[in-house]
Amino acid sequence: DQQVKQNSPSLSVQEGRISILNCDYTNSMFDYFLWYKKYPAEGPTFLISISSIKDKNEDGRFTVFLNKSAKHLSLHIVPSQPGDSAVYFCAASDGTDSWGKLQFGAGTQVVVTP
Amino acid sequence: DAGVTQSPTHLIKTRGQQVTLRCSPISGHKSVSWYQQVLGQGPQFIFQYYEKEERGRGNFPDRFSARQFPNYSSELNVNALLLGDSALYLCASSFGGGSAKSNQPQHFGDGTRLSIL
Repeated sequence: DQQVKQNSPSLSVQEGRISILNCDYTNSMFDYFLWYKKYPAEGPTFLISISSIKDKNEDGRFTVFLNKSAKHLSLHIVPSQPGDSAVYFCAASDGTDSWGKLQFGAGTQVVVTP
Repeated sequence: DAGVTQSPTHLIKTRGQQVTLRCSPISGHKSVSWYQQVLGQGPQFIFQYYEKEERGRGNFPDRFSARQFPNYSSELNVNALLLGDSALYLCASSFGGGSAKSNQPQHFGDGTRLSIL
């Protein structure tokens, strides 16, 4: 069963504007959430993470928001740049698993237009 | 510093054959995980190893096996290959288990693209 869902397969945004990517999850035991970016022919690159004890984490242009009651997280990219065009994956790990096995969403393709 | 390295980058096999994929973690990382990514989906967890011990196994058949060596590198073996095994195989490493407790994210290699004819 798909416990991490990214319901938007694609997103187009103008350069300089905000990109908002959404992710929903069903497992209430998830306690660590990560976003990865993937270019074609490369592996996923870690962007930012958040623990369930927080509701916001910021790193430069990237901010992740976590709403535990709604089982929802989002990634904000401000301002969007052409190099941000990639597939973005949301991932989560179960707090009952000490070893941090990751479950991924299906990804959102982001295209930043000039 | 070198990131996670995987070899080979591409591989073509036929049904019924066996394949071995290799992974070298980031220096100092003791945990290696393997994921399978098919087109249009996110990576799916196959195995995790820490200190040469299997710490987790995903929902994959026994045709899939792995091991970790004393230098923390790892191999993934797949026997009796099926057409459905065609995918990108990703290796990830982390210092600890990669969970919230360690707050150490997993870092991925560029993967091995396996095609089954």
